[in-house]
Amino acid sequence: GAGVSQSPRYKVAKRGQDVALRCDPISGHVSLFWYQQALGQGPEFLTYFQNEAQLDKSGLPSDRFFAERPEGSVSTLKIQRTQQEDSAVYLCASSRPRGLVGDTQYFGPGTRLTVL
Amino acid sequence: GENVEQHPSTLSVQEGDSAVIKCTYSDSASNYFPWYKQELGKGPQLIIDIRSNVGEKKDQRIAVTLNKTAKHFSLHITETQPEDSAVYFCAASGKNSGYALNFGKGTSLLVTP
Repeated sequence: GAGVSQSPRYKVAKRGQDVALRCDPISGHVSLFWYQQALGQGPEFLTYFQNEAQLDKSGLPSDRFFAERPEGSVSTLKIQRTQQEDSAVYLCASSRPRGLVGDTQYFGPGTRLTVL
Repeated sequence: GENVEQHPSTLSVQEGDSAVIKCTYSDSASNYFPWYKQELGKGPQLIIDIRSNVGEKKDQRIAVTLNKTAKHFSLHITETQPEDSAVYFCAASGKNSGYALNFGKGTSLLVTP
């Protein structure tokens, strides 16, 4: 079946621009996660949704980062006034319907954001 | 919070040899330990995971061992093939980290023919 999809795959932004990154999770997955992966590093947690509720946003690095999932399926990660340090791959993951700790997280291909 | 250390950062083996990657974690409450493989330009793909109620799990050429007392877990790949070449990440999660996975920094594995 279809996996997690993300768009765009690549995004180049000038410093100060706003960007919006989209994630389509696996159908029926109630849990959705965003991670940030800097070059040569492991993914780092940003935020977590269960259905439309954002249960944890402790990993968002600043108030310029905002995520939403209004209907409990597609999610958008928005970054306002982008800075060079925001350059990274942004990964989305979803997990199977139980929504429990320790459920397998399935990752999308990521969006590579480059801020000039 | 949870801190996951992963070693080595790079590993080169000859085809057919075994590869071992080791991780340690700091939070004794962590109880779920997945391993992901990431190829260039792709997202991480789960290859095997283990929960804290077992000490070892095997799936064909891949095995993972967990030592809860020492707080470390390892990935073993036997009979390596060139297509095993990729970056491998360990991760840990548990009630103290909520639902988030805490990843190590990755091991770049190169299998030479």
